[in-house]
Amino acid sequence: QVQLVQSGAEVQKPGASVKVSCKASGYTFVGFAISWVRQAPGQGLEWMGWTSTYTGNTNYAQKLQDRVTMTTDASTTTAYMELRSLRSDDTAIYYCARVGKAGTGFDYWGQGTLVTVSS
Amino acid sequence: IVLTQSPGTLSLSPGERATLSCRASQSTSDYLAWYQQKPGQAPRLLIFGASTRVAGIPDRFSGSGSGTDFTLIISRLEPEDFAIYYCQHYGGPPITFGQGTRLEIK
Repeated sequence: QVQLVQSGAEVQKPGASVKVSCKASGYTFVGFAISWVRQAPGQGLEWMGWTSTYTGNTNYAQKLQDRVTMTTDASTTTAYMELRSLRSDDTAIYYCARVGKAGTGFDYWGQGTLVTVSS
Repeated sequence: IVLTQSPGTLSLSPGERATLSCRASQSTSDYLAWYQQKPGQAPRLLIFGASTRVAGIPDRFSGSGSGTDFTLIISRLEPEDFAIYYCQHYGGPPITFGQGTRLEIK
């Protein structure tokens, strides 16, 4: 069965960086893009960007493009999201999600990784 | 594309019919999905292409609409349906989500 398993919770100081991993299994990794979505406490969903697992091409949300990098490693079927220059308003649950084929939305999601930014 | 969901909160009883709305600031070309999120859980895809139900989703969930106006209907609410529902435009980038409708037990 398709699974996306994310790394554990992180606590970081303002100005630091965080790198969240998303290990995929149960399907052909290279066939599907991976997107990242975050959710601040008590708030809605915010799309951060996505990356092609085939070409490595990325597309980031404009507000984050100077601070975020998304990568994938096909040899370990793992996607990564790194966010730099952390601020308190980056405190959120970060989700990876598989982008479904042929316009089917985000069909599988990781369990989420809580990133807390606090001095 | 900005998505506006209404109402913000919907209070209904089990067995009743729920109607959730999602309006787009411009045409989404039907790249419109609906997600359900329960506390402490990741979102779950219910509907894509505005009206196609994901395999395994009960048929009491139905989506409709096109262009800029979309609706999610839950025909007869079950206790497990009380959650937050988000619409999403995935025809981008960018991808956008509505702000969510909280469906609560009356």
